[in-house]
Amino acid sequence: SQQGEEDPQALSIQEGENATMNCSYKTSINNLQWYRQNSGRGLVHLILIRSNEREKHSGRLRVTLDTSKKSSSLLITASRAADTASYFCATVRGTSYGKLTFGQGTILTVHP
Amino acid sequence: GAVVSQHPSRVICKSGTSVKIECRSLDFQATTMFWYRQFPKKSLMLMATSNEGSKATYEQGVEKDKFLINHASLTLSTLTVTSAHPEDSSFYICSATSTLAGQETQYFGPGTRLLVL
Repeated sequence: SQQGEEDPQALSIQEGENATMNCSYKTSINNLQWYRQNSGRGLVHLILIRSNEREKHSGRLRVTLDTSKKSSSLLITASRAADTASYFCATVRGTSYGKLTFGQGTILTVHP
Repeated sequence: GAVVSQHPSRVICKSGTSVKIECRSLDFQATTMFWYRQFPKKSLMLMATSNEGSKATYEQGVEKDKFLINHASLTLSTLTVTSAHPEDSSFYICSATSTLAGQETQYFGPGTRLLVL
């Protein structure tokens, strides 16, 4: 079964609007991370939330984690055209910090 | 912050040839690096864990003889796609773990796009 499934698969909004992306996972985790990928490029780490945290903020990003529902959400407030990218959640597999299981991702398009 | 580079960024090769992709940690040492594969508009799938000085650990379903991994130094891991076929065409991304300031952080390379004709 797939860890880290996200919805929506694609999201199209206007600049200034908020964008919310959701992620669900299937097994217990130590932490959950969100990454951003511009088209055809590598990944950029956005934020990490630990299993004992419920909410975390970083600039215009707000991440929530509900371990009882095995879900997380990423909120980007006051979106900009430059936020256009794919966003992935990822969970750590086992004890190796770098072995990540990625969700399917949400393609976010912010129209100017 | 830490930087991970990959070379080449793009490669086109003929079916049956082998292609080597390099992953370097530029300003930190990485005893462990990871190789991922990504199909168009799809997610990243972990292929293998590259361990400096020892054999790589492959994920289930990944052919170790097809995807040769060598981690000869603390800053370089290479992935060689042997006898490449069109179905090997994909985006390959590496990552390296930095433990600077006592915190583990994962840094990803920019990716290598492989097209096998």
